[in-house]
Amino acid sequence: EVQLVESGGGLVQPGGSLRLSCAASGFTFSSYSMNWVRQAPGKGLEWVSYISSSSSTIYYADSVKGRFTISRDNAKNSLYLQMNSLRAEDTAVYYCARDLGELELPLLGYWGQGTLVTVSS
Amino acid sequence: DIQMTQSPSSLSASVGDRVTITCRASQGISNSLAWYQQKPGKAPKLLLYAASRLESGVPSRFSGSGSGTDYTLTISSLQPEDFATYYCQQYYSTPFFGPGTKVDIK
Repeated sequence: EVQLVESGGGLVQPGGSLRLSCAASGFTFSSYSMNWVRQAPGKGLEWVSYISSSSSTIYYADSVKGRFTISRDNAKNSLYLQMNSLRAEDTAVYYCARDLGELELPLLGYWGQGTLVTVSS
Repeated sequence: DIQMTQSPSSLSASVGDRVTITCRASQGISNSLAWYQQKPGKAPKLLLYAASRLESGVPSRFSGSGSGTDYTLTISSLQPEDFATYYCQQYYSTPFFGPGTKVDIK
């Protein structure tokens, strides 16, 4: 069974940093591309970032480009999101999500339960 | 960037109703279109991809159609567990979700 478990969320002040992690199990992590998607309270879904299985291809939403960094450690079956220069508008539940198949596409077949990031003074 | 719009933003329907939600891309996306269902407090769930391919385990009352820039999600006979918010997403280029359609009980 595919499992994705996010961690690292919490309360941070504007301008601060936070690192999210996503622990993957139940599949061969190194074969699948991964994504981060967020959802502000009461709002819709916003794709944040994509990383290919080998980390050779990385994309970011314009709203986080230059501030967030996605990475992965295939040996540890883990996905990360380093978030710097955080703003109030970054407050959201952050989900990690796996590609449906080994297609290297941002087609989100499996999702974690999410971790809440709150940016506030 | 290829932006997505959805209509309606919300609708009220009864159990057994046929429900149709429309999604439009700002340019052609060659059927690289997925539909997700999200219930309150839960992660989204993939329903369909490639515009019309049903994800494994999803009931056959869900169907998708469309081409080019215009796509449709249809629920043939609404069930109590289908009351939720539905999002389209293009994965033809940098991914974008539609704003969502909330389906609630009439």
